[in-house]
Amino acid sequence: GAGVSQSPSNKVTEKGKDVELRCDPISGHTALYWYRQSLGQGLEFLIYFQGNSAPDKSGLPSDRFSAERTGGSVSTLTIQRTQQEDSAVYLCASSLEAIYGYTFGSGTRLTVV
Amino acid sequence: QKEVEQNSGPLSVPEGAIASLNCTYSDRGSQSFFWYRQYSGKSPELIMFIYSNGDKEDGRFTAQLNKASQYVSLLIRDSQPSDSATYLCAVGRNSGNTPLVFGKGTRLSVIA
Repeated sequence: GAGVSQSPSNKVTEKGKDVELRCDPISGHTALYWYRQSLGQGLEFLIYFQGNSAPDKSGLPSDRFSAERTGGSVSTLTIQRTQQEDSAVYLCASSLEAIYGYTFGSGTRLTVV
Repeated sequence: QKEVEQNSGPLSVPEGAIASLNCTYSDRGSQSFFWYRQYSGKSPELIMFIYSNGDKEDGRFTAQLNKASQYVSLLIRDSQPSDSATYLCAVGRNSGNTPLVFGKGTRLSVIA
């Protein structure tokens, strides 16, 4: 596609429910990154994919968080048993090569009530 | 722990002035440096990148890099109210596609 597409744009969920966030990167971009940004905070790295494999999962905050990427394209970030502290904007980015920087999607605003 | 530090601001400048945004980083192995602009409620947008010591100019924007001092800056000439945003500094290694490390950003306010 022309840009990085994320869905849903907004998600309100009850504490304890599972959520799935989707990212469709720019066509041909082999690297895909997930970050989150809490209100007034910087970007917190979660996980990145090179193709379908995830060389670096070090940023996932707990084992409630997981992500996968299929076909070298779409990625899904899953949060199980959501907690209020998971409320944030989840940003996905993709790049052909990181030295040229990333293109970010518009984000998913997750609110856990 | 790789860190990127920025003054959170707000940095207020009058319209038409030069805005100077600064960033320091801790990882001496860093090779690539980026400035992103983030409007309130929007996602970050890449505005400049620089790899070599010295200055790089693009329109009203100039990025400056000093690897010896581990310092990156962004100058915005002839600042406009539309430049009011948070500016994020990001730093990376040129090894594969390892993730960039972002600073928390500096909020810039350009006063008309």
